[in-house]
Amino acid sequence: EDQVTQSPEALRLQEGESSSLNCSYTVSGLRGLFWYRQDPGKGPEFLFTLYSAGEEKEKERLKATLTKKESFLHITAPKPEDSATYLCAVAGNQFYFGTGTSLTVIP
Amino acid sequence: DGGITQSPKYLFRKEGQNVTLSCEQNLNHDAMYWYRQDPGQGLRLIYYSQIVNDFQKGDIAEGYSVSREKKESFPLTVTSAQKNPTAFYLCASSIDGDNSPLHFGNGTRLTVT
Repeated sequence: EDQVTQSPEALRLQEGESSSLNCSYTVSGLRGLFWYRQDPGKGPEFLFTLYSAGEEKEKERLKATLTKKESFLHITAPKPEDSATYLCAVAGNQFYFGTGTSLTVIP
Repeated sequence: DGGITQSPKYLFRKEGQNVTLSCEQNLNHDAMYWYRQDPGQGLRLIYYSQIVNDFQKGDIAEGYSVSREKKESFPLTVTSAQKNPTAFYLCASSIDGDNSPLHFGNGTRLTVT
């Protein structure tokens, strides 16, 4: 069964405390993996696309990496404004979404 | 600015009434999608369309209907047959419906009482 699992469900960090969010998938015929940020009451905002194992993308304090079975979203020295839910999606024969990691960064 | 516009942001209806949610995009994207988001669940696909005048059912199409008469527009009707219509509805589009990323609107929160 095609499936995307994100962990942890929730993460609280002190400002400046780096960490990683995980997205593991069992999707046949992977055509791309996507990371999104979602703020409360808003639609997901596109962050990154990764297409092949070993690929990395960076944007400000965020870096996304991809292996054959999982992706990590590394957040370096986070700030309170990085607080949001981070969603992972995988394109197989359709798009499969994880349930997200709710990140809270405490000043 | 290019983007996806969903309206209204909040919608309240009485049980038994049909309601239509609007989605318009000016990104010139071919593919458009409707998702439903409920607490603790991943986004679930309701309908999608890859070209004008054609659309396919997603995983939870029962109780919903769509049309795609124009490339820019993909309205969703929530009918009285939908058993649990209260949810956050998200419209998305992608360039080609293949492996390009989805771009989302800001959603419509529908409450049915």
